[in-house]
Amino acid sequence: RKEVEQDPGPFNVPEGATVAFNCTYSNSASQSFFWYRQDCRKEPKLLMSVYSSGNEDGRFTAQLNRASQYISLLIRDSKLSDSATYLCVVTDTGRRALTFGSGTRLQVQP
Amino acid sequence: DTGVSQDPRHKITKRGQNVTFRCDPISEHNRLYWYRQTLGQGPEFLTYFQNEAQLEKSRLLSDRFSAERPKGSFSTLEIQRTEQGDSAMYLCASSGRTTNEKLFFGSGTQLSVL
Repeated sequence: RKEVEQDPGPFNVPEGATVAFNCTYSNSASQSFFWYRQDCRKEPKLLMSVYSSGNEDGRFTAQLNRASQYISLLIRDSKLSDSATYLCVVTDTGRRALTFGSGTRLQVQP
Repeated sequence: DTGVSQDPRHKITKRGQNVTFRCDPISEHNRLYWYRQTLGQGPEFLTYFQNEAQLEKSRLLSDRFSAERPKGSFSTLEIQRTEQGDSAMYLCASSGRTTNEKLFFGSGTQLSVL
């Protein structure tokens, strides 16, 4: 079983739609969680951290469910510029390495 | 430019050759990471430095791979006796005390082993 699992997609949605991605992680001791965004042929960039209480940044909302070991990302009012691969990222207690999922590809269509 | 820089951007080599990549992190960052990414996959952790000390190394990493960060600034990643399976994008990232765990990635070195 992979440490971090994501649905690869692609998710094809029209502009203005709301879309949600989930990610599951296998290590219950995982302590920090993030969503990174990666545009085609570019390096990953931090989108947002994920906190236990959930957090929101504009049109983006991240949630963490420790009991079920999953995190989610909700994008409201999708824009064409949101088209990218969204990487779920986890760190484990005592480790510095960030473990990346394989990513979920989003394609927002006009 | 104050971002993470990697050199070269592209490297084509023949199987069995050795290659070396360089990463210059953001100057005030004391943590440096190497990752490898293949098409359709997320970045895979290779190794981590805090200052000049290599503190973590992937168990999956072949002994053909070695990394150094001699003065706690730039880092090099060497692959000896390259194999076709080594073809990938090699990404370097850095972070610092004030950035918590936020990683800043370079643009990567694309390695093609023929």
